[in-house]
Amino acid sequence: AQSVTQPDIHITVSEGASLELRCNYSYGATPYLFWYVQSPGQGLQLLLKYFSGDTLVQGIKGFEAEFKRSQSSFNLRKPSVHWSDAAEYFCAVPTFGNEKLTFGTGTRLTIIP
Amino acid sequence: KAGVTQTPRYLIKTRGQQVTLSCSPISGHRSVSWYQQTPGQGLQFLFEYFSETQRNKGNFPGRFSGRQFSNSRSEMNVSTLELGDSALYLCASRRTGVVVYQETQYFGPGTRLLVL
Repeated sequence: AQSVTQPDIHITVSEGASLELRCNYSYGATPYLFWYVQSPGQGLQLLLKYFSGDTLVQGIKGFEAEFKRSQSSFNLRKPSVHWSDAAEYFCAVPTFGNEKLTFGTGTRLTIIP
Repeated sequence: KAGVTQTPRYLIKTRGQQVTLSCSPISGHRSVSWYQQTPGQGLQFLFEYFSETQRNKGNFPGRFSGRQFSNSRSEMNVSTLELGDSALYLCASRRTGVVVYQETQYFGPGTRLLVL
């Protein structure tokens, strides 16, 4: 079964610093991959998604992610974080008959001044 | 246009009771999915409805059920509540219900259920 792993439970970054959140997938073929963000008290919002083609995907809010088949990774990056980026971030992959998403365990991001 | 709305936003129940949660999808969306989010288990898929029919069901006991109405609004019901049912229940909608990677799934803010 397709699955994703987020090895970092909690990351703390200074405002203005760069950010990289890790996501590893387990699937033989080229997967479809998603990154979602959940702000406190909010539902999930799609940041970006990868289907095929260019391995560097641009998303909303200045985020990007790079698909690396050799490392089975789809890491989320942002060059300079803002205090408003504090949230929980989830990597996800479609499974079942592709009608549902399977999420990673999430990475909670804390921003310090 | 209005997003996915869920009511109520917060709910407190006691063990053994039952609860019904409501989800109104984005106008024009026909597919509604439900997820349970807990600190221990993370986000888990409950079920998906499309055109009033349940298409997929996750690995949850029969106490968890749902339905979808002709206007695409959906309800989920949990009977005989257990302490472990305390969670954030998220609803998500998408337009046509084709495979999930082909169209964006929009999530509501969730209903936080506390079972005492």
